[in-house]
Amino acid sequence: QQPVQSPQAVILREGEDAVINCSSSKALYSVHWYRQKHGEAPVFLMILLKGGEQKGHEKISASFNEKKQQSSLYLTASQLSYSGTYFCGEGGTSYGKLTFGQGTILTVHP
Amino acid sequence: SQTIHQWPATLVQPVGSPLSLECTVEGTSNPNLYWYRQAAGRGLQLLFYSVGIGQISSEVPQNLSASRPQDRQFILSSKKLLLSDSGFYLCAWNRGNTDTQYFGPGTRLTVL
Repeated sequence: QQPVQSPQAVILREGEDAVINCSSSKALYSVHWYRQKHGEAPVFLMILLKGGEQKGHEKISASFNEKKQQSSLYLTASQLSYSGTYFCGEGGTSYGKLTFGQGTILTVHP
Repeated sequence: SQTIHQWPATLVQPVGSPLSLECTVEGTSNPNLYWYRQAAGRGLQLLFYSVGIGQISSEVPQNLSASRPQDRQFILSSKKLLLSDSGFYLCAWNRGNTDTQYFGPGTRLTVL
């Protein structure tokens, strides 16, 4: 069963903020966030392993709630380069496999 | 540093023809390897994974097969392509159970 992402799509103007959520009905072992630009391979953003963990990467950060059933990706002061599809992946089940959410399409306009 | 390669980058094949896509990883040993398919505008579907030479696990029943003849080589094959096999095929690798996966550049396959 794959994690559920919300929203499915979001449209922003440059400088606006966005939050993308990734939820599961059971505790996630780990959460991996990726961004995929059109026609390209997904690129790793960050991994969260512990309940309550927060991690940042420039203006993009993420959190993992205490129960490890929800992770959120925060994009602050969005730039045109942030456009793409964001995927969360549930990891650690076995053999390093990831089960991906359905993706969130983020579009940033000038 | 590690690098993952896939070829060809694009491929157009007629229905019923065979398929062979190749993925190789450099700069690491004994990686876990994965094949994904992504239909247009859709998510990432895991097709196969391998934790060692000759060890292949299939995630979904389909018209495809995978092989790992060498430690850092992963091959995706089909004897007869179907229209539904069209998509973006991605190979990925990682080192272990909690390690993140890194994707190759992908192969875009169109079956006509």
